[in-house]
Amino acid sequence: AQSVTQLGSHVSVSEGALVLLRCNYSSSVPPYLFWYVQYPNQGLQLLLKYTTGATLVKGINGFEAEFKKSETSFHLTKPSAHMSDAAEYFCAVSASQGAQKLVFGQGTRLTINP
Amino acid sequence: SAVISQKPSRDICQRGTSLTIQCQVDSQVTMMFWYRQQPGQSLTLIATANQGSEATYESGFVIDKFPISRPNLTFSTLTVSNMSPEDSSIYLCSVATSGTQYFGPGTRLLVL
Repeated sequence: AQSVTQLGSHVSVSEGALVLLRCNYSSSVPPYLFWYVQYPNQGLQLLLKYTTGATLVKGINGFEAEFKKSETSFHLTKPSAHMSDAAEYFCAVSASQGAQKLVFGQGTRLTINP
Repeated sequence: SAVISQKPSRDICQRGTSLTIQCQVDSQVTMMFWYRQQPGQSLTLIATANQGSEATYESGFVIDKFPISRPNLTFSTLTVSNMSPEDSSIYLCSVATSGTQYFGPGTRLLVL
């Protein structure tokens, strides 16, 4: 079975500062990992995904994440926060390459301070 | 990617009634999924809908409460039956294509 833990339900950073959102997973098989963003009153938008290959994955809006098998982590980072990054971020894991049956973390609300 | 639309975008319903949510995707897909997002919480998978077969429900969700139809490869409906205030949530459909799930904008349901 798969599970996801996002450390920190709320993260607040200043505009221009580093964004770091933490995600740890548990999986009995090689995982497929995803980060989604949800802006207020909207659906989920895919930021990036890891399936196989390069462990550093680049996504949209300047975000990237690194898959670390030894630490069972898939933390999301962005070097310089922008006000428009304020949103809810969800980490998710799937046991299948077809991205079936995603298991989501609890989400992290990111606030950007001017 | 896939472009997904849902109807209605939001609704306010009285307890004891039912609401059917429609999900339309712009391409043919094998698998469609329905999720529930309760206020301030994460997403929970309700069921997986394949065209031509019965939907597969996750633990804690039953067909009598959440009947699903999947008449073709681009469309699905989820009905929330005999609603109570606890059903107030965002309901999202998604599709899996090219190794990724893409989500619709969601239906925001408030049950009074």
